[in-house]
Amino acid sequence: QKEVEQNSGPLSVPEGAIASLNCTYSDRGSQSFFWYRQYSGKSPELIMFIYSNGDKEDGRFTAQLNKASQYVSLLIRDSQPSDSATYLCAADMDSNYQLIWGAGTKLIIKP
Amino acid sequence: GAVVSQHPSWVICKSGTSVKIECRSLDFQATTMFWYRQFPKQSLMLMATSNEGSKATYEQGVEKDKFLINHASLTLSTLTVTSAHPEDSSFYICSARDSRRGGYGYTFGSGTRLTVV
Repeated sequence: QKEVEQNSGPLSVPEGAIASLNCTYSDRGSQSFFWYRQYSGKSPELIMFIYSNGDKEDGRFTAQLNKASQYVSLLIRDSQPSDSATYLCAADMDSNYQLIWGAGTKLIIKP
Repeated sequence: GAVVSQHPSWVICKSGTSVKIECRSLDFQATTMFWYRQFPKQSLMLMATSNEGSKATYEQGVEKDKFLINHASLTLSTLTVTSAHPEDSSFYICSARDSRRGGYGYTFGSGTRLTVV
């Protein structure tokens, strides 16, 4: 069964530090990987997507992909209390453009 | 761009009644829409995938006769919860795929919190 795994947390990080969120996936056929942020009671919003090995940076966020290890990560630099949320990792599937979702990691940024 | 409007944001209904949730893509044509359900402190659970003009594909364990999905146009999909029961109370979220945007193609609606009393 195709899976995406994340540590549920909570991950507690002091304000201003780097938060590192990790995700592994089982399907080697997955091509694109997504990080979504979800605040409590709200729907997910896209933070970043990545499909090439290596790093992709967007502001304070950096996504990292290692296809050989089937590993995706999200780094958040200069963490702010407003970054406190659940971060969902997702990988695409070939069939019908579905995404396989991880269970999410709860991130808490402590002032 | 790529805005998905979902209504209503919240709804309370009596047990045994039906509730319709609408999901509209405002500035793009959504060839594929996904319907998710999320219980408190749990991750998203895909209920069904719908393609415009064809029948929805339901995930295992999701009753297609209870959760009716209609995707009659490229900008509108609806989920109707029929004969709702308290255990159907959940956060329902739609997601639409904009094929023009490649990897950015999955946009979520704001969600509908359903409470069945």
